Amino acid sequence: EVQLVESGGDFVQPGGSLRISCAASGFMFSNYVMNWVRQAPGKGLEWVSAINGGSYITYYADSVKGRFTISRDNSKNTLYLQMNSLSAEDTAIYYCAKDPFDGTPYYFDYWGQGVLVTVSS
Amino acid sequence: QSVLTQPPSVSGAPGQRVTISCTGSSSNIGAGYDVHWYQQLPGTAPKVLIYGNNNRPSGVPDRFSGSRSGTSASLAITGLQAEDEADYYCQSYDPSPRTSLVFGTGTKVTVL
Repeated sequence: EVQLVESGGDFVQPGGSLRISCAASGFMFSNYVMNWVRQAPGKGLEWVSAINGGSYITYYADSVKGRFTISRDNSKNTLYLQMNSLSAEDTAIYYCAKDPFDGTPYYFDYWGQGVLVTVSS
Repeated sequence: QSVLTQPPSVSGAPGQRVTISCTGSSSNIGAGYDVHWYQQLPGTAPKVLIYGNNNRPSGVPDRFSGSRSGTSASLAITGLQAEDEADYYCQSYDPSPRTSLVFGTGTKVTVL
């Protein structure tokens, strides 16, 4: 059974940094693109970032490019998102989401339960 | 910022048929990129409902169907049930100006 469990959500001050994680199980982690998708309170879904199975290609939404860094440790079956220069607009539930293939991001066939990141002074 | 446009809400009585539109542009849906649909029940993570325009994952009832034409796509729910009350999002791929996955604005389905 595929499982994605996010952790590391917290309350952060504007300008601060935070790293969130996603522990994966139930599938061959290194064989798939992995994504982060966020949802601000009461708002819609926004794709944030993706990384291919071998970690050599990363993709970012314009809203986070230059501030967020996606990475993965295939030996630990874990996906990460390092978030710097956080602002109130980054407040959201962050979901880890698996792609059904490797290569170019396509869609999300499995989702984690999400982790809340709150940016406020 | 969503680049795919959906109606904010649709409603129907139990047993009725409702459709949700998803309007894109020549750089995403109109370029032939696949459309996928997600259902988000209150307080839960989204789950895939339709992938590759008109394919249902195992376990998704055949009451749900998808289609794509030109720069738009649609999700149809036939035989509407109370448990279908949720938010629905379309999603596609847009390489302009750089690779990104794009979502629709979301539609709240209310069962009357």
